[in-house]
Amino acid sequence: DAKTTQPNSMESNEEEPVHLPCNHSTISGTDYIHWYRQLPSQGPEYVIHGLTSNVNNRMASLAIAEDRKSSTLILHRATLRDAAVYYCILRDSDMRFGAGTRLTVKP
Amino acid sequence: DTAVSQTPKYLVTQMGNDKSIKCEQNLGHDTMYWYKQDSKKFLKIMFSYNNKELIINETVPNRFSPKSPDKAHLNLHINSLELGDSAVYFCASSQFSPLAGSSYNEQFFGPGTRLTVL
Repeated sequence: DAKTTQPNSMESNEEEPVHLPCNHSTISGTDYIHWYRQLPSQGPEYVIHGLTSNVNNRMASLAIAEDRKSSTLILHRATLRDAAVYYCILRDSDMRFGAGTRLTVKP
Repeated sequence: DTAVSQTPKYLVTQMGNDKSIKCEQNLGHDTMYWYKQDSKKFLKIMFSYNNKELIINETVPNRFSPKSPDKAHLNLHINSLELGDSAVYFCASSQFSPLAGSSYNEQFFGPGTRLTVL
């Protein structure tokens, strides 16, 4: 299974952009890059996913390196409600969660 | 409307008991999952069902038996509960894509069931 590496924790100030990195140097050509987040005491929720091209949606942007060995989840304006654990997951079939990055947003 | 619901939200029981957790999704999805999140917060897949048929069965003790009466439900029955079974259990669902398999479609998670075995 291709694995991902994320920082254990990150801090951000409210209303500032946040860049959450993920390394996946052993990614295969068929692996999609998915991002989920888990707010306190809730189930994980989908954020965004991509294969090769950068992706934008209402929640975030996903920047994928040209060699696909790393990606960055971008929250354009962090709010207090964005405080969560963010998981970067490579999917070719089932989802396997790592430890994720715990994002703290300071007022 | 709750897309993926689980009951109960909390479950406290004694060692050796048998218990069930129910999961229902109203999204019309054909694939459902059970995940376990332990005290260290690691989230691991346990089972996956597509159209009521088991497609993933990770290394889970036989005491855990999923049952899917229809595509909208995937219940988890646990026999002879042990202390180590204490965790939060999440149900999820997604729609299988014939073109991209399951790699593409997002999974929708329930709110979780916190199981405490005393």
